[in-house]
Amino acid sequence: KQEVTQIPAALSVPEGENLVLNCSFTDSAIYNLQWFRQDPGKGLTSLLLIQSSQREQTSGRLNASLDKSSGRSTLYIAASQPGDSATYLCVMSRDDKIIFGKGTRLHILP
Amino acid sequence: DAGVIQSPRHEVTEMGQEVTLRCKPISGHNSLFWYRQTMMRGLELLIYFNNNVPIDDSGMPEDRFSAKMPNASFSTLKIQPSEPRDSAVYFCASSLRHRAEGYTFGSGTRLTVV
Repeated sequence: KQEVTQIPAALSVPEGENLVLNCSFTDSAIYNLQWFRQDPGKGLTSLLLIQSSQREQTSGRLNASLDKSSGRSTLYIAASQPGDSATYLCVMSRDDKIIFGKGTRLHILP
Repeated sequence: DAGVIQSPRHEVTEMGQEVTLRCKPISGHNSLFWYRQTMMRGLELLIYFNNNVPIDDSGMPEDRFSAKMPNASFSTLKIQPSEPRDSAVYFCASSLRHRAEGYTFGSGTRLTVV
């Protein structure tokens, strides 16, 4: 069974710290991996998309990496800000399957 | 582009009533997805369409749920009759060339069945 696991489930860090969110998946034959952000009561916002042929993508303070051989992806957030507080979802696509992790709830302490 | 547009944003209905959720995908996208999000189960794929044709509806919980995509710019998810356990946020997403381009999500419809 395909699974996407996100660790930790929740994280609180002081403002300004760099942090890493982890995502692991059970099958390395993915097509792409996407990180989303969800704010309370809001929809999903796409942050970064990594194609299977790529190893990382960067956007501003965010960097996402993909290691298919180990079944892992990380989302690195530099110099965290209170506005980064949200739930971060990792989504794996394989063939015609799309599998979501349950997310990491991030809280940045001012 | 206005993105994926869902309506209504909020829906409160009584048990037994019919509920229709609507989605307008991004123009030119040829894949459309309906998801349901609950605290207990997270995000679940209900059904997806490629070129207006339903490809996989194995996530549709039961016969009370039905989805249609009469054309490339419109889709509906209908629940009849609705039940309190259907209360959730329902998201629609679209993509171009499913699997390759990533997904754009709508803002969701928060459904409450009382």
